[in-house]
Amino acid sequence: GQNIDQPTEMTATEGAIVQINCTYQTSGFNGLFWYQQHAGEAPTFLSYNVLDGLEEKGRFSSFLSRSKGYSYLLLKELQMKDSASYLCAVRDPGNTDKLIFGTGTRLQVFP
Amino acid sequence: DTAVSQTPKYLVTQMGNDKSIKCEQNLGHDTMYWYKQDSKKFLKIMFSYNNKELIINETVPNRFSPKSPDKAHLNLHINSLELGDSAVYFCASSPSTGMGDEKLFFGSGTQLSVL
Repeated sequence: GQNIDQPTEMTATEGAIVQINCTYQTSGFNGLFWYQQHAGEAPTFLSYNVLDGLEEKGRFSSFLSRSKGYSYLLLKELQMKDSASYLCAVRDPGNTDKLIFGTGTRLQVFP
Repeated sequence: DTAVSQTPKYLVTQMGNDKSIKCEQNLGHDTMYWYKQDSKKFLKIMFSYNNKELIINETVPNRFSPKSPDKAHLNLHINSLELGDSAVYFCASSPSTGMGDEKLFFGSGTQLSVL
């Protein structure tokens, strides 16, 4: 089966850096996504990794190690508006139309 | 213009009723989905359609019936609603680039409360 693990909650301070980890166990690998979801809103796409390494997009970066089944999302210069849930998702190797989501990490940023 | 729009945003109904949620996307995407997000915020796929054809049916009770009249619309009809159906239902769409990096565009969600 497929399994994705993320911490349930994290807290951080405005201006700081936070790293949200995601580990996955799947029977193959076809790509990993990070989505951001503010309370009461729809998830929105943040990043996509399919090869090992770091993908940087402004204040957000995402890292992937396929051999370790591990990814992290790095948020720099945290702002209050970054308080949200961050969802890690992997593409089902048996069905590429299907994304398997983790339960998400709820991040609270304090002043 | 809203890219993926679903209605209604809130749906409160009694057990045993039948209800529908509508979804439309104006992005020209070929693939549309229904996802269910439970109270623990776990987001799970229910169905996906590609060009009006059912591609994924994720062991959802047959009280749930999706219908895609054209590739821009995917509606969800639920019969005989149960308490456990209470959740937020998200419609989504994605392009078919064939590159594997197709991201999902979500609608704003429908919060269903079954009393």
